[in-house]
Amino acid sequence: AQKITQTQPGMFVQEKEAVTLDCTYDTSDPSYGLFWYKQPSSGEMIFLIYQGSYDQQNATEGRYSLNFQKARKSANLVISASQLGDSAMYFCAMRDRLSGGYNKLIFGAGTRLAVHP
Amino acid sequence: DSGVTQTPKHLITATGQRVTLRCSPRSGDLSVYWYQQSLDQGLQFLIQYYNGEERAKGNILERFSAQQFPDLHSELNLSSLELGDSALYFCASSVGGDRVSGYTFGSGTRLTVV
Repeated sequence: AQKITQTQPGMFVQEKEAVTLDCTYDTSDPSYGLFWYKQPSSGEMIFLIYQGSYDQQNATEGRYSLNFQKARKSANLVISASQLGDSAMYFCAMRDRLSGGYNKLIFGAGTRLAVHP
Repeated sequence: DSGVTQTPKHLITATGQRVTLRCSPRSGDLSVYWYQQSLDQGLQFLIQYYNGEERAKGNILERFSAQQFPDLHSELNLSSLELGDSALYFCASSVGGDRVSGYTFGSGTRLTVV
C-alpha cells in the first residue's frame, strides 16, 4: 500500500534562513505524483509544489523547491529565506491511483513549522 | 480564493443531529473529493465523485453519505452525529485525470459536535 511519512512533528527556523521539511514515500506504482500543501492557522489547504515521478528536474516555485531523490524515495520541501508568514502546518501528499484511472491524495501526518524573528 | 467553495464555514450542532456540508468545485473540475481532518486521525479520504458518479470510497462511516449533483456541486451528509465527528471537513476538486496541480482544496467546514 502507498504510504507517506513525515518524521518531523515540529520544526523551527530563524527568519531569512532556509529550512528543509522531510518526506519519504512508499509505492510500487512507477507513475506517481508528490505534492506539498501548507495549512496556516486559518485552516485552508494551500497548494505549494508538485513533482511527478518522471520529471527529470526538481520542481521549484518561488521560494519553494523540492529535493526529489527517487532512489531514496524522498521528496523533501526546501523553503528558502523563511518569512514569518511561513509559520504553518505543512503536508506532503502522494497521488494514489485507483481502479478505473481515478486518483486520490494520501497525506502524511504533517510538520508544524515555526519561523522565529 | 481557490475557486472551491465550501459552506458553511463553521457548524455547531448537538449529538444525534444531522448536518449537510456543501461544496462547489472549481469551474471545469469534474471530480470532487471529501476529506476529514481530525486531531487524532490526520487527513483521511472519505469519498470521491466524478461527474455525478461515486468513484472511490475511503474511511467513510455508514452514518455519512454524499452525492454529486448535475451542476457538479456536492453535498456530504453526516447523521447521528457523535462527539468524535468533530473535525475539519475539506472538499477538493480536480479535473479528474493526472494533472500537475490538479487538486484544489476549499477552505473547509469546521464541525463541532457538542
